[in-house]
Amino acid sequence: GQSLEQPSEVTAVEGAIVQINCTYQTSGFYGLSWYQQHDGGAPTFLSYNALDGLEETGRFSSFLSRSDSYGYLLLQELQMKDSASYFCAVRAPGAGGTSYGKLTFGQGTILTVHP
Amino acid sequence: DTAVSQTPKYLVTQMGNDKSIKCEQNLGHDTMYWYKQDSKKFLKIMFSYNNKELIINETVPNRFSPKSPDKAHLNLHINSLELGDSAVYFCASSAQRGQPQHFGDGTRLSIL
Repeated sequence: GQSLEQPSEVTAVEGAIVQINCTYQTSGFYGLSWYQQHDGGAPTFLSYNALDGLEETGRFSSFLSRSDSYGYLLLQELQMKDSASYFCAVRAPGAGGTSYGKLTFGQGTILTVHP
Repeated sequence: DTAVSQTPKYLVTQMGNDKSIKCEQNLGHDTMYWYKQDSKKFLKIMFSYNNKELIINETVPNRFSPKSPDKAHLNLHINSLELGDSAVYFCASSAQRGQPQHFGDGTRLSIL
């Protein structure tokens, strides 16, 4: 099976930088995703890392180290609208090792951005 | 235009009833999913279909039955609803086998 660990809560101020870590244990691994979910809203895709290294998309970056089973989401120049829950999710083989990988989500990190 | 749409948005019903949630995507994706998000916001895969074929079937009570009439639709029928079924149910779709997944706005199911 798969298990993921991420901090339950993070607090920061506007304009700051925050890093949300995610460690995982999986049997098989295709990649690590990050999703953002505002209260009452739908999860929305932020990034996907299949290979080691840093992926940058605007103010958000995501990092993966497959050898360490570790990744992080880096949010720069924080804005109030970034207050949300952030989920890491491992894409790994489904039952029977099918290639149709499934996503297993972490418990989510609640990010609160203060003025 | 809504990419992944679910109906109804809210569903309040009594224990023992049978209910259905519908999902449609207009993104041309081949793969669709149902997730359950509990009160602690834990998001867990329930089912996945690829081109109308069931490819993921997690440990879900058989009171839950998905149906995919075509690759743009994936419905979820729940029989004999129980208190523990109260949650938000999200439908999602993806083009390739996994990424990225586009989620609907969710159906908030409350069992009285």
